[in-house]
Amino acid sequence: IQMTQSPSSLSASVGDGVTITCRASQGISSHLNWYQQKGGKAPKLLIYAAYSLQNGVPSRFSGGGSGTDFTLTISSLQPEDFATYYCQQSFNTPYTFGQGTKLEIK
Amino acid sequence: EVQLVESGGGLVQPGGSLRLSCEASGFAFSNYWMSWVRQAPGKGLEWVANIKQDGSEKYYVDSVKGRFTISRDNVKNSLYLEMNSLRAEDASNYYCVREREADRSPNWFFDLWGRGTLVIVSS
Repeated sequence: IQMTQSPSSLSASVGDGVTITCRASQGISSHLNWYQQKGGKAPKLLIYAAYSLQNGVPSRFSGGGSGTDFTLTISSLQPEDFATYYCQQSFNTPYTFGQGTKLEIK
Repeated sequence: EVQLVESGGGLVQPGGSLRLSCEASGFAFSNYWMSWVRQAPGKGLEWVANIKQDGSEKYYVDSVKGRFTISRDNVKNSLYLEMNSLRAEDASNYYCVREREADRSPNWFFDLWGRGTLVIVSS
């Protein structure tokens, strides 16, 4: 299953709201997860099962969608949110990731 | 502390072999599926393989089938990745990752990651 994220990069300012989209090449129900990765560190789980917020993740992060089209929304960007974001399907193996969306400060 | 610590990476020649290890602590390792995920420098994430709690099921991405073997030792709380016939395109940071299932639905996700161990394939 191929996962395609858009955009590949995004510039925004602190306080802005942004949305990243992820499209699966076939239906994956709600088997979609989102991760944040900063500066070469290990990825961090943000959202699982399309819209469930991982413990400890701020509520400004939200996920949505089902089937083939999904979104990650950050409602009001904070300085620590500038990072690369990946979607990942767990509908079947091989699990696959999107190519990533790099969120940069404008 | 709940953590995963990888080791075993390094420089290897094309065609060579390497064995990665991951030591788990702070949680019941034997209760979880475990995965290896890799990331080439400056590139995205790629799932490599996973293994069931008792080792009875294993799955691999096509590009490593027949060359890599995932295994585990639940007594030692350790996960392994035996890598043979290494190619330049296998050069990556390899993460040991815990899989978890959502409480109310059969959705799987990666909730705990190690820091990774770097594999360099070069002559």
